[in-house]
Amino acid sequence: DAGVIQSPRHEVTEMGQEVTLRCKPISGHNSLFWYRQTMMRGLELLIYFNNNVPIDDSGMPEDRFSAKMPNASFSTLKIQPSEPRDSAVYFCASSLAFYEQYFGPGTRLTVT
Amino acid sequence: AQTVTQSQPEMSVQEAETVTLSCTYDTSENNYYLFWYKQPPSRQMILVIRQEAYKQQNATENRFSVNFQKAAKSFSLKISDSQLGDTAMYFCALDYGQNFVFGPGTRLSVLP
Repeated sequence: DAGVIQSPRHEVTEMGQEVTLRCKPISGHNSLFWYRQTMMRGLELLIYFNNNVPIDDSGMPEDRFSAKMPNASFSTLKIQPSEPRDSAVYFCASSLAFYEQYFGPGTRLTVT
Repeated sequence: AQTVTQSQPEMSVQEAETVTLSCTYDTSENNYYLFWYKQPPSRQMILVIRQEAYKQQNATENRFSVNFQKAAKSFSLKISDSQLGDTAMYFCALDYGQNFVFGPGTRLSVLP
């Protein structure tokens, strides 16, 4: 298996633009997680899905952030409009319940 | 609420020495899993070791072992014969079935 795949690996955009981050989980995994990592706040869970259904989105910072999982093999995290404070590394991870999460390589987002 | 605490923001150890990273957690669940993840400068999150709460025997993976004290809700990681490649952020994590909680991390530097 190729592991969790994230794209793009790096994204640089201007404030106000829409940003879409993509994730392909490991085949067979039924849970998918989106995290944000910054020096100031560490690793934060934004949202997680179980069987394609959002279970807990309490970590989503505000309405500018949205996430979807239209099927078991694809998820997106969208920021619209983006702001400089959204600059961070965004990780996607997948797992089976009670098993370890497998992380993707992350997307480094820079909003100027 | 489920919480994970890592009280050592930074640690250092001489190459070939042994170091122990601390982690305490809180959960009301009886069935849960604990993990240690490593994040080297490449930022890829890598699973180091996993412990099932129902198992009394401490997990071991080569140079990495844990001291799991369920009553005290403590889950420390011991790294023996430290190597330069062990330099990384180390995260303790709790999976209680409904969600996954990460600690704030300990930055470990292995000194030559």
